[in-house]
Amino acid sequence: DAGITQSPRHKVTETGTPVTLRCHQTENHRYMYWYRQDPGHGLRLIHYSYGVKDTDKGEVSDGYSVSRSKTEDFLLTLESATSSQTSVYFCAISKGPGVRTEAFFGQGTRLTVV
Amino acid sequence: DAKTTQPTSMDCAEGRAANLPCNHSTISGNEYVYWYRQIHSQGPQYIIHGLKNNETNEMASLIITEDRKSSTLILPHATLRDTAVYYCIVRVWSGNTGKLIFGQGTTLQVKP
Repeated sequence: DAGITQSPRHKVTETGTPVTLRCHQTENHRYMYWYRQDPGHGLRLIHYSYGVKDTDKGEVSDGYSVSRSKTEDFLLTLESATSSQTSVYFCAISKGPGVRTEAFFGQGTRLTVV
Repeated sequence: DAKTTQPTSMDCAEGRAANLPCNHSTISGNEYVYWYRQIHSQGPQYIIHGLKNNETNEMASLIITEDRKSSTLILPHATLRDTAVYYCIVRVWSGNTGKLIFGQGTTLQVKP
């Protein structure tokens, strides 16, 4: 699993509550990504980080924020969870930024918002 | 963004080669083709990637046509554990990173 740990692995939360998902890596890779996977949509990029304190939006960033204060940790926060954010969330890491560097994925966090 | 087209599903007999096609007719000259697979609900697993030359690693071979408009992933001796959804992806540069844009993939069923 390329030294990637996502926590928690499963979470059930209530609508309107804040939720933070954590991605921890031991590879010292500079680039980290958060994706969500939903039936019929495949994996979609939420946010990514290209260094400590450097982040940018992906294609489905509304309702999410991220932070990266250390190379090894990338946090995804749902400020006020909604049912539409029920999904499986995957973190990925990549050594380099570009189009010729492979990315490796974690095992995912299954989030249910009730 | 470049897009890929894959068949929705394919079957393969155990022990035979599995050939998974992908069309990416709008690919740009500096964009790489990536293949990932996802078994059940696990995280996507990297398989292989290439630009224009054929590539081989311990998992698979990647054949890219000369015009780069299509490619084929070859699993030389499929096993039941290769049953998965296979994603053909063109990694595109956007913002500050190369983004992997996933499509729907091909569900490969390896049968005994």
